Amino acid sequence: EDQVTQSPEALRLQEGESSSLNCSYTVSGLRGLFWYRQDPGKGPEFLFTLYSAGEEKEKERLKATLTKKESFLHITAPKPEDSATYLCAVQGGNAGNMLTFGGGTRLMVKP
Amino acid sequence: GAGVSQSPRYKVAKRGQDVALRCDPISGHVSLFWYQQALGQGPEFLTYFQNEAQLDKSGLPSDRFFAERPEGSVSTLKIQRTQQEDSAVYLCASSLLLGDTEAFFGQGTRLTVV
Repeated sequence: EDQVTQSPEALRLQEGESSSLNCSYTVSGLRGLFWYRQDPGKGPEFLFTLYSAGEEKEKERLKATLTKKESFLHITAPKPEDSATYLCAVQGGNAGNMLTFGGGTRLMVKP
Repeated sequence: GAGVSQSPRYKVAKRGQDVALRCDPISGHVSLFWYQQALGQGPEFLTYFQNEAQLDKSGLPSDRFFAERPEGSVSTLKIQRTQQEDSAVYLCASSLLLGDTEAFFGQGTRLTVV
């Protein structure tokens, strides 16, 4: 059974204070690891897909990296508008096309 | 349409009532997913369609839950005899291709059972 654990559950940062969110996973045959952003009252918004260990992707202040056991979402010099819940999910080889999500990290960036 | 559309946005149901939640996927998207998200938790898979075929319903929590997509576009998630534990946000997602890894989510329907 695919499993995803995210840490920390909540993170408070000052504007400009860089940090990283962790996503640890176990999966049979990783087909893809996904990062989504979710604002209150809205559905998840796609950020990145990573397919293999060593892969990195960047978008504005966000950078996602992947190893064989975990993924990190690095946030550089965050702004208040980066405040949201960040969700990690995996798509495994034995689980059809479904995504298995972690519980998310609630990020709050204070000005 | 421009994105995945779900209706209603909010639904309050009395315990024991039947509800129907609608999902309009992005036009032309083959794959459609339903997820359930409890407060403060990540989404959990319910069921998956490829066009009109329901290929995976392993996540449906009980036989009170039923989903259909008869013409391969709009989908309806029906919950019979609602219980308090059914209170959650129900998310619909669609993707263009079979096995496509980028899924686009709707805003969800928040169901509250009282």
